[in-house]
Amino acid sequence: EAQVTQNPRYLITVTGKKLTVTCSQNMNHEYMSWYRQDPGLGLRQIYYSMNVEVTDKGDVPEGYKVSRKEKRNFPLILESPSPNQTSLYFCASSFNSGGAVLREFFGPGTRLTVL
Amino acid sequence: GQSLEQPSEVTAVEGAIVQINCTYQTSGFYGLSWYQQHDGGAPTFLSYNALDGLEETGRFSSFLSRSDSYGYLLLQELQMKDSASYFCAVGDDKIIFGKGTRLHILP
Repeated sequence: EAQVTQNPRYLITVTGKKLTVTCSQNMNHEYMSWYRQDPGLGLRQIYYSMNVEVTDKGDVPEGYKVSRKEKRNFPLILESPSPNQTSLYFCASSFNSGGAVLREFFGPGTRLTVL
Repeated sequence: GQSLEQPSEVTAVEGAIVQINCTYQTSGFYGLSWYQQHDGGAPTFLSYNALDGLEETGRFSSFLSRSDSYGYLLLQELQMKDSASYFCAVGDDKIIFGKGTRLHILP
């Protein structure tokens, strides 16, 4: 089954404790991205990756890191989480058609709470 | 910069037709996408318009006017299961989403 998976689905942690949210896709997509969703703010892109070893900042990259060492995986790293990073996080992937991202497939989401 | 504007809420009656508008400001334009998100779920892709005009997919249609920087999503024969949030999005690599339109459907 074609899908994007994220782990963990739910996480409660404390301020300053490093964490990683994993994302994996099995559709051979070049493009992957991370979003956070907060009430009233819609989806805001954190980082995106056009292909392996190519990453770039989205709209709200502060406090996050990513890496793209393999095509299928795109982990999101919070080196020192803070309460304002409490949010719902989505990973997504897509084919990259001539430089345009036409249709993103989203993972199920990770609900993160930072105390 | 890039920005999108869409109404925060729309209410319609079951069986009716509803239109959700989206206006955008972008430095470059590749196309306008629409996504649906049910409460507790992930966004799912509905449609993509790169060229002016209407694209139809079953009960859903999407329209784009590049000269007006405007698009809309048209939902026909509304069903209760269409109650959800709808997002427009633009971008080629960096993607910007609108804040979403919550669609309420009355029986």
